Amino acid sequence: SQELEQSPQSLIVQEGKNLTINCTSSKTLYGLYWYKQKYGEGLIFLMMLQKGGEEKSHEKITAKLDEKKQQSSLHITASQPSHAGIYLCGAAPLLGAQKLVFGQGTRLTINP
Amino acid sequence: NAGVMQNPRHLVRRRGQEARLRCSPMKGHSHVYWYRQLPEEGLKFMVYLQKENIIDESGMPKERFSAEFPKEGPSILRIQQVVRGDSAAYFCASSRQGSYEQYFGPGTRLTVT
Repeated sequence: SQELEQSPQSLIVQEGKNLTINCTSSKTLYGLYWYKQKYGEGLIFLMMLQKGGEEKSHEKITAKLDEKKQQSSLHITASQPSHAGIYLCGAAPLLGAQKLVFGQGTRLTINP
Repeated sequence: NAGVMQNPRHLVRRRGQEARLRCSPMKGHSHVYWYRQLPEEGLKFMVYLQKENIIDESGMPKERFSAEFPKEGPSILRIQQVVRGDSAAYFCASSRQGSYEQYFGPGTRLTVT
């Protein structure tokens, strides 16, 4: 079965600094999703990547999927307190599969 | 356009009681997914439904758990004879026909005492 490993598990950065979160899969990724979760709340959809080498940006957040489609990175530029939360990567285990497998999450804290 | 709605947001049940969790998908979405997040564990897929059909229930426990998505009304996840190990956050997600983008609701936090 497919497993997703996120690194780091937790991250504390100074406001204004850049940061990167990684998601590595044990198998080829058929659709890689990034979500953000605040404590006690649901998941907010950030981005979905499907093609090797694909890169998407939304405001100060950029996500990439490597050419081999086994690793994705999420990069935040000039972090703000509003970026704090838990970032989850999710993936479809099979081509066309609708159910998602999730990593364990990366807890991001932004210090003012 | 309202997002995915779940109710109740918090549910407390005693061991042996039944829990019913409701999920209304986003407008225009016909696919519903249920996931469970156990304390200190990741998010796990439970079941995928379309209107009146269960498409994939490979993540559902074999006993006591059932799900439905009727032609009219919300999707319901039903847990019979709850045990303490059922305490978790249950999330519903929905997607549009032909789309892989899943949008999540705020979750229902079930506590079994």
